Amino acid sequence: GAGVSQSPSNKVTEKGKDVELRCDPISGHTALYWYRQRLGQGLEFLIYFQGNSAPDKSGLPSDRFSAERTGESVSTLTIQRTQQEDSAVYLCASSLAGFGYTFGSGTRLTVV
Amino acid sequence: AQRVTQPEKLLSVFKGAPVELKCNYSYSGSPELFWYVQYSRQRLQLLLRHISRESIKGFTADLNKGETSFHLKKPFAQEEDSAMYYCALSGRWSQGNKLVFGAGTILRVKS
Repeated sequence: GAGVSQSPSNKVTEKGKDVELRCDPISGHTALYWYRQRLGQGLEFLIYFQGNSAPDKSGLPSDRFSAERTGESVSTLTIQRTQQEDSAVYLCASSLAGFGYTFGSGTRLTVV
Repeated sequence: AQRVTQPEKLLSVFKGAPVELKCNYSYSGSPELFWYVQYSRQRLQLLLRHISRESIKGFTADLNKGETSFHLKKPFAQEEDSAMYYCALSGRWSQGNKLVFGAGTILRVKS
């Protein structure tokens, strides 16, 4: 597709369950980023993939959070044993180094 | 450490009035600064970046290294400018550094 695609668009899950969020970046974009946007707050960096380099995981808030990306394609963000404070919009973006980010429309996660 | 501060959560102005959305940053090297905008029910999108020195939709932003600021300005606000605005900072963008975002400012333009 022409843009960054994220699925699902909305996810409601019970506390303690695992969830998996998916991001399809723009074809050819070498960099992929995950951000979290809590209600009333700014975008919080989570993790960054650049080509085949080791990912920058410095923003992951706990070991319950992990992400994978195979090559320069799809990425999945996994949250294990979800907590209510994990409720947020999770945004994915991709870019070619040196050019602006293109954001997806996000996944709204609600933990009940 | 990289930090971006947007002191105003909400800025409300009348149509035709000047607008200034404030952004201050903290960074030890030479930063690259950006403004992103999110209109209602739309995706976050790039508005402008300081190295382009361009004006988009009538908005401009000048990087002031002395004051470590990158305020977004428009001389005459329009109703369609109502949106959430985020200031963001990166290290050497061409090297693929990540963006650090501010908390955002909601701009509301009243008729």
